[in-house]
Amino acid sequence: GDSVTQMEGPVTLSEEAFLTINCTYTATGYPSLFWYVQYPGEGLQLLLKATKADDKGSNKGFEATYRKETTSFHLEKGSVQVSDSAVYFCALSDNGGYQKVTFGTGTKLQVIP
Amino acid sequence: ETGVTQTPRHLVMGMTNKKSLKCEQHLGHNAMYWYKQSAKKPLELMFVYSLEERVENNSVPSRFSPECPNSSHLFLHLHTLQPEDSALYLCASSQGQVTNYGYTFGSGTRLTVV
Repeated sequence: GDSVTQMEGPVTLSEEAFLTINCTYTATGYPSLFWYVQYPGEGLQLLLKATKADDKGSNKGFEATYRKETTSFHLEKGSVQVSDSAVYFCALSDNGGYQKVTFGTGTKLQVIP
Repeated sequence: ETGVTQTPRHLVMGMTNKKSLKCEQHLGHNAMYWYKQSAKKPLELMFVYSLEERVENNSVPSRFSPECPNSSHLFLHLHTLQPEDSALYLCASSQGQVTNYGYTFGSGTRLTVV
């Protein structure tokens, strides 16, 4: 079946540091890929997405590129802020009829001033 | 305001109790979902309703019983739960292709079974 593997956290960075959170996936066919973010005490919010190979999703300074050859969708940000502290989830959609999404375990990011 | 509202935010219940979780969406979406979020585990899809019809039940124990009376409301009825059922229960909705719009999640209900 489909699966998503993320790097284990927590990841602790100083403000303005460069962020990379690794994500690889296993899927049949050509899934769409997502990053969701969960701030403390809240539900998940869609951060960015990519629907086909070589697409780059971007939002709020975050970027991720759909790499079919390496089955990866790593999340990056050039300069993190304290407000970016949250849990980040990589996910894929198998484009099934009822729109099923498979999530990774999440990576907690803590940014310190 | 996320557009998906879950109540209650927190719930503590004994193993012999019966309670219900409620989810309401005001986005005009046509599919709704229940997910279970436990520490150090991927989100687990429990149930999917598309156009008010249940289309997936991922081997969830019968002590969890979903109900979708209309396209805006989704319930999760709970009875004789176990301590390992303690988790954050998330409701989500979607419209059209998830590939285009993704899910919209509620803030979740933090359930503790004692």
